[in-house]
Amino acid sequence: SYELTQPPSVSVSPGQTARITCSGDALPKKYAYWYQQRSGQAPVLVIYDDSKRPSGIPERFSGSSSGTMATLTISGAQVDDEADYYCYSTDSSGKERVFGGGTKLTVL
Amino acid sequence: QVQLVESGGGVVQPGRSLRLSCAASGFTFSNYAVHWVRQAPGKGLEWAALISDDGTKKYYADSVKGRFTISRDNSKNMVYLQMNSMTAEDTAVYYCAREGGYCNSAGCYSWFDPWGRGTLVTVSS
Repeated sequence: SYELTQPPSVSVSPGQTARITCSGDALPKKYAYWYQQRSGQAPVLVIYDDSKRPSGIPERFSGSSSGTMATLTISGAQVDDEADYYCYSTDSSGKERVFGGGTKLTVL
Repeated sequence: QVQLVESGGGVVQPGRSLRLSCAASGFTFSNYAVHWVRQAPGKGLEWAALISDDGTKKYYADSVKGRFTISRDNSKNMVYLQMNSMTAEDTAVYYCAREGGYCNSAGCYSWFDPWGRGTLVTVSS
């Protein structure tokens, strides 16, 4: 079965840049999507199609993808950005829909 | 505004059944596919099921295939998840989410947006 691999945790100080990676064999062919989930809340889409930002998402959130790795970057991270972040994509056939294991971002 | 509201969660014994509902509002429901995604306590997100906009196409994760059935009623703006033969591994918060996306010459691309707030299902004797 297809897997997306994320680091379990990332920690930065306020104002620093946080980078969360997601690796998967099909990422050269398939877009990555990123979701933010604050404690006790539903997930929210923050990046789609590797690097596009939905309306209402702050500009400090950006995404990129190169080879088998996609990256979510939060420039000037704020305490309010503390959350779990999940990448999502599919296998090369598009049939297997998979989330990464999630990364807990701590900003302190 | 676009809104999805899940209901129907609760405590159910192993081997029994439960039906979840997802009520949609604020958009033309019949134009969108809908997914169910679940999250076990303290764990990550797991995609569970998808139903197309017209209800003719349905897809399931291997973990629920043969036990769960997704359906929809476009006249009521509702999506359902019928869960049978439940086990402790089905204990989770269940979210419904609208599918966003598009198709072009290169293929079709989709994502989940927005999500409902979820409903908790606990399978326990």
